[in-house]
Amino acid sequence: ETGVTQTPRHLVMGMTNKKSLKCEQHLGHNAMYWYKQSAKKPLELMFVYNFKEQTENNSVPSRFSPECPNSSHLFLHLHTLQPEDSALYLCASSQDWARGNQPQHFGDGTRLSIL
Amino acid sequence: DAKTTQPTSMDCAEGRAANLPCNHSTISGNEYVYWYRQIHSQGPQYIIHGLKNNETNEMASLIITEDRKSSTLILPHATLRDTAVYYCIAYGGATNKLIFGTGTLLAVQP
Repeated sequence: ETGVTQTPRHLVMGMTNKKSLKCEQHLGHNAMYWYKQSAKKPLELMFVYNFKEQTENNSVPSRFSPECPNSSHLFLHLHTLQPEDSALYLCASSQDWARGNQPQHFGDGTRLSIL
Repeated sequence: DAKTTQPTSMDCAEGRAANLPCNHSTISGNEYVYWYRQIHSQGPQYIIHGLKNNETNEMASLIITEDRKSSTLILPHATLRDTAVYYCIAYGGATNKLIFGTGTLLAVQP
């Protein structure tokens, strides 16, 4: 139990669907992150939120839309995805994005499959 | 950002110490050495991190060379549940991005 919970664990959706991934952290952290892990590829950072403000968008297509209503919750809204978007989507949190000596703690991810 | 180099895979006998090496010859002075592991179908798990001094916690020990160009993660008594991909990452520099490479697949053998 890492203190970072992601739901759902598995999601299958068609290319025209709209769905959302949810992440919740119980660690009192102020920074939250979305990562993508495709098969046989390293993790790729997608978005960073620090104190609810987006501080990083790693050239992610607009069909992925993040939302951070408070420091404990992070969402990733998905619409008109492509088959190549099938991947494991991981959420992480840390005390503060700007402090390199603070580890990030990860959830177990949402396994997303696009039909 | 400092790039790290790790062996692709290693084997270790159950109950023995697992020593995982990492080279980070271009690490900058304000970057920490972090270790994570990822067990199949789970998210990465934070293990330990350090700047200059050796560190120990309930999971592992981290030995960093004096010149900071390399480090070793030590799992003192490996179990089958320690089979995972282990990532060594230099983190905390100007861009503050946790960049995962391909890591070392540690296979603990019974």
